[in-house]
This record gives sequence, C-alpha cells and structure tokens, in this order.
Amino acid sequence: GAGVSQTPSNKVTEKGKYVELRCDPISGHTALYWYRQSLGQGPEFLIYFQGTGAADDSGLPNDRFFAVRPEGSVSTLKIQRTERGDSAVYLCASSPPTSGRVKFFGPGTRLTVL
Amino acid sequence: AQTVTQSQPEMSVQEAETVTLSCTYDTSESDYYLFWYKQPPSRQMILVIRQEAYKQQNATENRFSVNFQKAAKSFSLKISDSQLGDAAMYFCAYRGPNGNQFYFGTGTSLTVIP
Repeated sequence: GAGVSQTPSNKVTEKGKYVELRCDPISGHTALYWYRQSLGQGPEFLIYFQGTGAADDSGLPNDRFFAVRPEGSVSTLKIQRTERGDSAVYLCASSPPTSGRVKFFGPGTRLTVL
Repeated sequence: AQTVTQSQPEMSVQEAETVTLSCTYDTSESDYYLFWYKQPPSRQMILVIRQEAYKQQNATENRFSVNFQKAAKSFSLKISDSQLGDAAMYFCAYRGPNGNQFYFGTGTSLTVIP
C-alpha cells in the first residue's frame, strides 16, 4: 500500500509569491497533520484535520498560512506573500481512526524562498 | 507547553556495537505517549518505537529498546548490534493524553562507523 505522498518534493519561489503544497494521506486515514521543520530543528506542529474540518490550527504562525482538506482526503497547505523565514521542510502525516496515536509521515516538501 | 530535550546533537557508534540516545521531557500529565522517530536523508520520518506512559514495561522492537523512567521524565533509546542502515537523525516526540500534536526534540544525528 502507498504511504503518505507530498508534492512537490522541492519548491523554490521568490519572496512575496504564493505557494501551495499538497499532501495525499494514506487511504482510510481520517486524521491529517502538517508540521514545519526548520534546518537543524525538530518538526513543529502547524495544523490538524479530523475529516474535512481543521480541529486544531493553533500552530499556524500567522494569517499568511492556510490549509484545506475539502473532501477529507487530500490536503493543501497554502502560503501567501512568502517570506525568507518560511523556508523549511513541510511535513505531512496521517493517522487511521484507531492508530494508537501513531502518525505516518510523508517525505516532505522542501520550500526555499529566495 | 511541553518541552522535549535531546542533549546529544551528534553520536557515533561502531558497527555491531550498542548506542544509547537520550531524551528528557517536561509534562504535568500522568498519561501520555512517547515516540522515537528516525529521519534518514530521504526526510521521511519513520516510527522506530513507542511507549505508553501507563505501561511500566519498557517497549522493545527487535534491536531497538527504550529505558522509560517516568519519575525522572527520561526516555532513552538503545540500539543494539548497530547497522550501517541505522545512520540517521533520531527524534524523540511527546504526545499528551488529549492533544493531537507531537512535540519533538531537536534530534540526534547518529553516525555508524564501519
């Protein structure tokens, strides 16, 4: 079975541009998470979806960041007016309904803002 | 907020030897979950082992085992018979009883010397 997939693998953009990062969770996983991993750091929580709704978005750093999951499967993380400080690896993870709290991570998207 | 501390930025081990990676955490909860994830250069976070705080018995997965000291809030990972494929970044993570986000440490880079 396929794992969590993320596209693109790498994204280079210019300061001020808009970007979208996509996450395809494992089929049947109801919970989906976005994390951000800056260089030399551990991942930091951004947002959590249970089904289609954002159950916890307390980790989003500001209103330039937004995420959707309209049909309860694929999710898109959207970043407006990108800044150089947004450069990081963005990781997506998913969990099944009865996972024992285990998360399965994707390979991440490395975002570079020039 | 919970904090997770990994005090060893880098560790090395001879192939076939044993190495222990340290992790401490801070929480006021009595029931929670702890995890060790491995992140190779491919960036994908891979679950190594997990421990439920209510279980007194230390978790074991083949060559990987933990030393969970609840009173000391310590959760170290022991890798026995180290293999070249064990080389990676290792992250310790904490999840509270009702939360959905993981709190990660800053990671330990493990090098396996042939």
